[in-house]
Amino acid sequence: EPEVTQTPSHQVTQMGQEVILRCVPISNHLYFYWYRQILGQKVEFLVSFYNNEISEKSEIFDDQFSVERPDGSNFTLKIRSTKLEDSAMYFCATRLSGGNNQPQHFGDGTRLSIL
Amino acid sequence: AQKITQTQPGMFVQEKEAVTLDCTYDTSDQSYGLFWYKQPSSGEMIFLIYQGSYDEQNATEGRYSLNFQKARKSANLVISASQLGDSAMYFCAMRIYGNNRLAFGKGNQVVVIP
Repeated sequence: EPEVTQTPSHQVTQMGQEVILRCVPISNHLYFYWYRQILGQKVEFLVSFYNNEISEKSEIFDDQFSVERPDGSNFTLKIRSTKLEDSAMYFCATRLSGGNNQPQHFGDGTRLSIL
Repeated sequence: AQKITQTQPGMFVQEKEAVTLDCTYDTSDQSYGLFWYKQPSSGEMIFLIYQGSYDEQNATEGRYSLNFQKARKSANLVISASQLGDSAMYFCAMRIYGNNRLAFGKGNQVVVIP
């Protein structure tokens, strides 16, 4: 069964550094998302991306965050200047189409640890 | 904004027994979808089952079924014939039709014991 692939599985970074988290969506999926889950807490929506632009973002997704799909396949989340509170599991999700019954399929996540 | 509530404490269930996980939600929208995801200790999020707000039948998917009560705004997940591999955190989530984001509850922890 096709799946969403995320790399790296674990990233350790010094505070203030930039990180890029990568996601390869399921082929032919059109809608892309990033979520995060701080340890022991619920999953929180960050941003959605469709047709090469952001379609919705949450209040968490401030100026230090950006997303892009540079080569038509990878979907990336960049955090410009990381803070301690950015430590979390980051999930990429993709959805086939705009159909209401279409679920978002999640990758295995990237665990980001900020030191 | 929608709110998803999962308040059950961690649950222990005997192998082969059924378990019901509670989920209530609060929204003023009439058109929405409800989703359940499983998160094992390894961390990945696995889609289990979907229920649309206009669906007249409760959703079923293998051993998973949804007890959907729209008037009560509840969408409880029933796992029948529990297996050891069902031990995980289970998240209820909602998406308002026309929106993009999934809103998640805090999850229900299930441990299946032999």
